[in-house]
Amino acid sequence: NAGVTQTPKFRVLKTGQSMTLLCAQDMNHEYMYWYRQDPGMGLRLIHYSVGEGTTAKGEVPDGYNVSRLKKQNFLLGLESAAPSQTSVYFCASSYLRQLVNSPLHFGNGTRLTVT
Amino acid sequence: AQKITQTQPGMFVQEKEAVTLDCTYDTSDQSYGLFWYKQPSSGEMIFLIYQGSYDEQNATEGRYSLNFQKARKSANLVISASQLGDSAMYFCAMREGYTGRRALTFGSGTRLQVQP
Repeated sequence: NAGVTQTPKFRVLKTGQSMTLLCAQDMNHEYMYWYRQDPGMGLRLIHYSVGEGTTAKGEVPDGYNVSRLKKQNFLLGLESAAPSQTSVYFCASSYLRQLVNSPLHFGNGTRLTVT
Repeated sequence: AQKITQTQPGMFVQEKEAVTLDCTYDTSDQSYGLFWYKQPSSGEMIFLIYQGSYDEQNATEGRYSLNFQKARKSANLVISASQLGDSAMYFCAMREGYTGRRALTFGSGTRLQVQP
């Protein structure tokens, strides 16, 4: 039972390069999320999706794009990486039903460094 | 205004003692959920415990309990009989029922260190 799988685990980019972070979940969850974690700031929501083909902005969406072409996958793209995007990125998913009490299931994170 | 406030950046506790990690929240929704997660040094996020705004009893899960004081808007995590493996970052989070983005809002975390 894989749960939420993120790839890659680590990546180093040069300023201006682009990349896509992949997230896959096998729990048939409707909701999926991308967070970034920076020291002393907890986790901040970048984008989220409430279903296939729909995405919405979170708290810190600038510099990122997302797509959810299939229910089980949620992609996070950086078109032109900046050093400020150095962070640990977490993907998460949750059920729609009884959403208020549905915990987020997290992937293991992607550590991204932009030089 | 911050929705989730964790005022203790770091805490120390002796092994086998109990420890309370503080969390206060801010919302105007009547329906909301409060969550605690543990993040060990390996980095994964582990769900510990949940409390609903309409729950009359404090939530408990093994050695974890949530001291929910609705009027004070606080949801403190209590860990009983601390173990060395409890050393980790702990995050409090909230999902608002109506006005939220269907996502969890996290506090800045508390680093707990359990000493032998």
